[in-house]
Amino acid sequence: DGGITQSPKYLFRKEGQNVTLSCEQNLNHDAMYWYRQDPGQGLRLIYYSQIVNDFQKGDIAEGYSVSREKKESFPLTVTSAQKNPTAFYLCASSILRTATNEKLFFGSGTQLSVL
Amino acid sequence: GQQLNQSPQSMFIQEGEDVSMNCTSSSIFNTWLWYKQDPGEGPVLLIALYKAGELTSNGRLTAQFGITRKDSFLNISASIPSDVGIYFCAGPYGGSQGNLIFGKGTKLSVKP
Repeated sequence: DGGITQSPKYLFRKEGQNVTLSCEQNLNHDAMYWYRQDPGQGLRLIYYSQIVNDFQKGDIAEGYSVSREKKESFPLTVTSAQKNPTAFYLCASSILRTATNEKLFFGSGTQLSVL
Repeated sequence: GQQLNQSPQSMFIQEGEDVSMNCTSSSIFNTWLWYKQDPGEGPVLLIALYKAGELTSNGRLTAQFGITRKDSFLNISASIPSDVGIYFCAGPYGGSQGNLIFGKGTKLSVKP
């Protein structure tokens, strides 16, 4: 079955620690995205990537880093510089954007909490 | 910047009732998307709208692209317990090659 797989489902971060959230897709989509969701809030874009080895900052990129070494993988690192990392993180993908192709397909999310 | 305002923020309804929610924007959108998020899961696309005035159905769900292109509506008929979740509207914001902006969601609770 084609889809987007995020792991782990739950992750705990200690003070000063970097943690990496995994996102893999087998949909052959060109573009991948990371969103952050806080309770009662919409989804806010952290980073996105349209092609391999290229990525762009979204609205709230500070304290996060990404890489796109393979088309199917887009890991997100939450660095120690992110002072309020507790949130639900969602990875998404879409086929290369055309005028009517903004549909995003989401993974099942990773809940990150601070110890 | 662009914002999407969804209302109501939450709804508590009886099973079998119809539901209406809407989403408004301060600027024009060329696409409206409606997603549903189950607790602890990622959002799933319900309906996509591409043309002003368009009315599209997906089972018991019907969504409309407002004539002004600044709003969209989602209706659910004869609600059932599995309709519980958060419903988000979304649209692509210009200048970022179509990245989506999301509303804050309408949380739906259904009493059996």
